[in-house]
Amino acid sequence: QIVLTQSPAIMSASPGEKVTMTCSASSSISYMHWYQQKPGTSPKRWIYDTSKLASGVPARFSGSGSGTSYSLTISSMEAEDAATYYCHQRSSYTFGGGTKLEIK
Amino acid sequence: EVQLVESGGGLVKPGGSLKLSCAASGFTFSSYAMSWVRQSPEKRLEWVAEISSGGSYTYYPDTVTGRFTISRDNAKNTLYLEMSSLRSEDTAMYYCVRYELRRGYFDVWGAGTTVTVSS
Repeated sequence: QIVLTQSPAIMSASPGEKVTMTCSASSSISYMHWYQQKPGTSPKRWIYDTSKLASGVPARFSGSGSGTSYSLTISSMEAEDAATYYCHQRSSYTFGGGTKLEIK
Repeated sequence: EVQLVESGGGLVKPGGSLKLSCAASGFTFSSYAMSWVRQSPEKRLEWVAEISSGGSYTYYPDTVTGRFTISRDNAKNTLYLEMSSLRSEDTAMYYCVRYELRRGYFDVWGAGTTVTVSS
């Protein structure tokens, strides 16, 4: 089973700041998917196939990576981006532990 | 509007059973693989079951194999999860999720139903 490790577990950013969070896989994988979850709501597909934005996701978000290292980047933090982000890969259906992003 | 609505959660004693349902609408239910994903109180996400579009194939992780059974009724646009021999570690929010089989992502999530296993 492939294990996904997200870092950092918790982070905060000021409005306008660039944000990068990472997801490391224990073995090489082909694609990474990302989900956004806000308190009291269900997760939403956010980035799929490593770098494709789901419908409605602002263009300030981007995804990249290959092999065992993947990342989600926000070019300019906005208050509405505060949420927990989970990475996920299909090989063994596993999820990362999440990165909680807070606004400063 | 694509929608998934779960029901059937509740409080159950260890060793007990529970059956969850998920009503789907707004899309051709019979064309999609479906899954159940749970989220523990610590917010950890775990996939617990998948069923093919026609219902012929089912998949489970080791943590629930032999205890959980996923099924579907395409005529009723409804997904089910039967859970037995429940343990405290099964306590979680259970989400019904549409699964995009070719690319391997969960693209539509329900609001979830809470299952609490406690004496």
